[in-house]
Amino acid sequence: GAVVSQHPSWVICKSGTSVKIECRSLDFQATTMFWYRQFPKQSLMLMATSNEGSKATYEQGVEKDKFLINHASLTLSTLTVTSAHPEDSSFYICSAVNSGGNYEQYFGPGTRLTVT
Amino acid sequence: EDKVVQSPLSLVVHEGDTVTLNCSYEVTNFRSLLWYKQEKKAPTFLFMLTSSGIEKKSGRLSSILDKKELFSILNITATQTGDSAIYLCAVEETSGSRLTFGEGTQLTVNP
Repeated sequence: GAVVSQHPSWVICKSGTSVKIECRSLDFQATTMFWYRQFPKQSLMLMATSNEGSKATYEQGVEKDKFLINHASLTLSTLTVTSAHPEDSSFYICSAVNSGGNYEQYFGPGTRLTVT
Repeated sequence: EDKVVQSPLSLVVHEGDTVTLNCSYEVTNFRSLLWYKQEKKAPTFLFMLTSSGIEKKSGRLSSILDKKELFSILNITATQTGDSAIYLCAVEETSGSRLTFGEGTQLTVNP
């Protein structure tokens, strides 16, 4: 079946540093990937739509200069949290749309970010 | 603005009980409604519903969509402790596969 990986699965960083999270579709091509954030006891909130070869589309209230998204290939999107602060601590989940097949969306396992 | 509302937000039952989870939505360009189960990590896919009145079934779980009344239900029969999880409903738009999630229902099944 379709597999999406994320790396790292968890990361702890100091306030003010930047963290990069990778999302890969392992056995299919994905021209579109999505980045979600989930705070404890809350649902998934869409942050941005990542489009291969073009700029990401950010949801209202999400700072594009703080959450940098790069989708340089059909199988990889990266999310960089710049100048992280404790309030950025969250569970970040990506999903990838199988653009070469059934256009179904598959989720990665998530990345737990803790900013100290 | 697209909106997905789930109820109840939390539910505690005993093993063997049957539960019904609700999801109502308001979406401009509806393509499909999806149900996910989330335990400790990312959501795992349960069902995708696109047509009204056609029940989808997988073991003890089943789901149905009513596009006229804009809601869906997820039924779990003979619940087990392993069914304890957050159940998420999401609606997909026709353009770009964008998903809007509901708040989720936290289901706890006690032995």
